[in-house]
Amino acid sequence: SYELTQPPSVSVSPGQTARITCSGDALPKQYAYWYQQKPGQAPVLVIYKDSERPSGIPERFSGSSSGTTVTLTISGVQAEDEADYYCQSADSSGTVVFGGGTKLTVL
Amino acid sequence: EVQLVESGGGLVQPGGSLRLSCAASGFTFSSYWMSWVRQAPGKGLEWVANIKQDGSEKYYVDSVKGRFTISRDNAKNSLYLQMNSLRAEDTAVYYCARASSPEGYFDYWGQGTLVTVSS
Repeated sequence: SYELTQPPSVSVSPGQTARITCSGDALPKQYAYWYQQKPGQAPVLVIYKDSERPSGIPERFSGSSSGTTVTLTISGVQAEDEADYYCQSADSSGTVVFGGGTKLTVL
Repeated sequence: EVQLVESGGGLVQPGGSLRLSCAASGFTFSSYWMSWVRQAPGKGLEWVANIKQDGSEKYYVDSVKGRFTISRDNAKNSLYLQMNSLRAEDTAVYYCARASSPEGYFDYWGQGTLVTVSS
């Protein structure tokens, strides 16, 4: 079955830039989406269609795509950005798939 | 304001059944694909099922095919998930989510309802 691969964890200091990657063979042909999930809360969409930012999401969140890898970048990380981040896309048949998630720790 | 409110979760024995509901408000429910996404304790997100605006198309993750049924009642602005033959591995928080398309993003989520399958 199709998989999206994310690093289990990423750590950054406040004010630095965090980059979270997501790899999958179908990513050149399918959009990627990113969600932020804090403990005990539902996920929140932070990036859609690879690089679009929903209204209300801070500008420090951005997304990019290159070949089979998409990247969520958080510039000027703040303590409140500490959370789990999930990428989502679809396989070649259109079945929804989530990455395993990345825990972002703000040191 | 878009709101999705799940209900119906609880403790059920293996092999048992449960029906989850999701009450939608704040948007034209009949205009959107809707989905169920689950999260096992301490684990990641897993898409479960989705349904077209008029209910004519339904898709499921392989692990629930033949056991779970997604449905909707547009007159009641409600989404449902009938879960039969439940297994321990179905234990999770189940989220109702509004979908942009069958393979697209989820822009609104409910708060989730916990389903525990245990004897």
